Amino acid sequence: QSVLTQPPSVSGAPGQRVTISCSGGSSNIGAGYDVHWYQLLPGTAPKLLIYDNTNRPSGVPDRFSGSKSGTSASLAITWLQADDEADYYCQAYDRSLSGWVFGGGTKLTVL
Amino acid sequence: EVQLVESGGGLVAPGGSLRISCAASGFIFSRYEMNWVRQAPGKGLEWISYISSSGSTEYYADSVKGRFTISRDSARNSLSLQMNTLRAEDTAVYYCARVKSGGLDFDYWGQGTLVTVSS
Repeated sequence: QSVLTQPPSVSGAPGQRVTISCSGGSSNIGAGYDVHWYQLLPGTAPKLLIYDNTNRPSGVPDRFSGSKSGTSASLAITWLQADDEADYYCQAYDRSLSGWVFGGGTKLTVL
Repeated sequence: EVQLVESGGGLVAPGGSLRISCAASGFIFSRYEMNWVRQAPGKGLEWISYISSSGSTEYYADSVKGRFTISRDSARNSLSLQMNTLRAEDTAVYYCARVKSGGLDFDYWGQGTLVTVSS
């Protein structure tokens, strides 16, 4: 059972928009800690996709965007492409654990 | 180019020990906080340990506290994880990850090393 809650799966057709939610609690997201998102492709190193709720590292397309409100955050992917098919994880620092927590991960399927 | 390369994974019997390492290059290793994160087969990511840039502060997840020890050697640009009293549930791919300067996100990750605990 992950501290942050994500839907196990989402899907969409090429060109569509999907969103992935991430729900936390009062010791992590609700405590004001920023949410970060990572993309995992099989056999490759995890990749930072969004940091500090809304920011994209250099090289990440603007089709990826993030938002945060209260104890929750969301990742939106527009203009879906086949190579977006991957697992996506949210992450935040948790003050009660003195460490980081992740969501359970969401598998994105591009139909 | 920032690179993190893990090594040392393998098959170990329950109750055994293993030491895995992460070789860092392309940045001033001594200036960055580092972590270990693992992913068990079919499961999600789990943060397991943190070490400060100086090595003076360490944190651990409850699941490994008292069994695992994180360390770093800035002269060799190397991060290590000593794993003792290993259990079947420790079977996972272990990643090292760098904390971005001034932030709490992990901006670079290695490709991981697989640790299998089985008799």
